[in-house]
Amino acid sequence: GAGVSQSPSNKVTEKGKDVELRCDPISGHTALYWYRQSLGQGLEFLIYFQGNSAPDKSGLPSDRFSAERTGGSVSTLTIQRTQQEDSAVYLCASSLGEGGRKETQYFGPGTRLLVL
Amino acid sequence: AQKVTQAQTEISVVEKEDVTLDCVYETRDTTYYLFWYKQPPSGELVFLIRRNSFDEQNEISGRYSWNFQKSTSSFNFTITASQVVDSAVYFCALSDTYFGNEKLTFGTGTRLTIIP
Repeated sequence: GAGVSQSPSNKVTEKGKDVELRCDPISGHTALYWYRQSLGQGLEFLIYFQGNSAPDKSGLPSDRFSAERTGGSVSTLTIQRTQQEDSAVYLCASSLGEGGRKETQYFGPGTRLLVL
Repeated sequence: AQKVTQAQTEISVVEKEDVTLDCVYETRDTTYYLFWYKQPPSGELVFLIRRNSFDEQNEISGRYSWNFQKSTSSFNFTITASQVVDSAVYFCALSDTYFGNEKLTFGTGTRLTIIP
C-alpha cells in the first residue's frame, strides 16, 4: 500500500517569506507527527495530531510555526516569516493511533527546506 | 527527561565484516519502547525494529540482530556479514510512554559506511 507522502520534495525560499509543507499519512492512520532534521539539532519532534483531539504542539520552536490537520487526514505545516535557521528537512510520520504495541511510526521522504 | 546516546558518529568497515552500533538510553519510565531506523542516502527513515521494555529477548532478522539489556540501558544493533547496501545513517529512538503521544526521542545517529 501507499506510504506517507510529502510535498514538495524540495523548497527554496527567501528569508521572510511564508512556506507550507504538506503531509499525506498512510490511509487509516489516525496519529500524525512532524519532526525536523537539521545539522545542528538532529531529529526533533515538532507537533502531534491524534484524531479529533487537540494537537500536542510542545515541540514547535516558535510561534512562527503552526500546523493543521484537515478531516483527520492531510496535514499542513506552515512556517511564517522564514529564517535561515529554519533550513532543515521536515519529516512527517504516521501511526495507527491505537496506542500500545501497535504504535510504530512510518516516515515520509521529507521536505528539504532551504531559506536563503 | 528522556535521552538517547549514540556515541559512534561514524563507522567504516570492509564488506562482509560484522559491525555493532551502540545505543544507550535514559528514561525514568518503567514502560517504554525502543526503535531502530535506517536512513539511506535517499533520506527516508525506514523502520527496522520496535522493542518494548518488558521484552528483553534478543531478536534476529536475517543479518540483523538486536541486543536489549535493561541493566545497562542499552539497545545495540549488529549487522553480520555487512553489505554495501547497509551503508546508511542508523538512528536509535525512544518513545514517550504516556498514552496518546508516542513521540520519538532520537539519538544523533551513526553513519555506517561499508567499503567494498
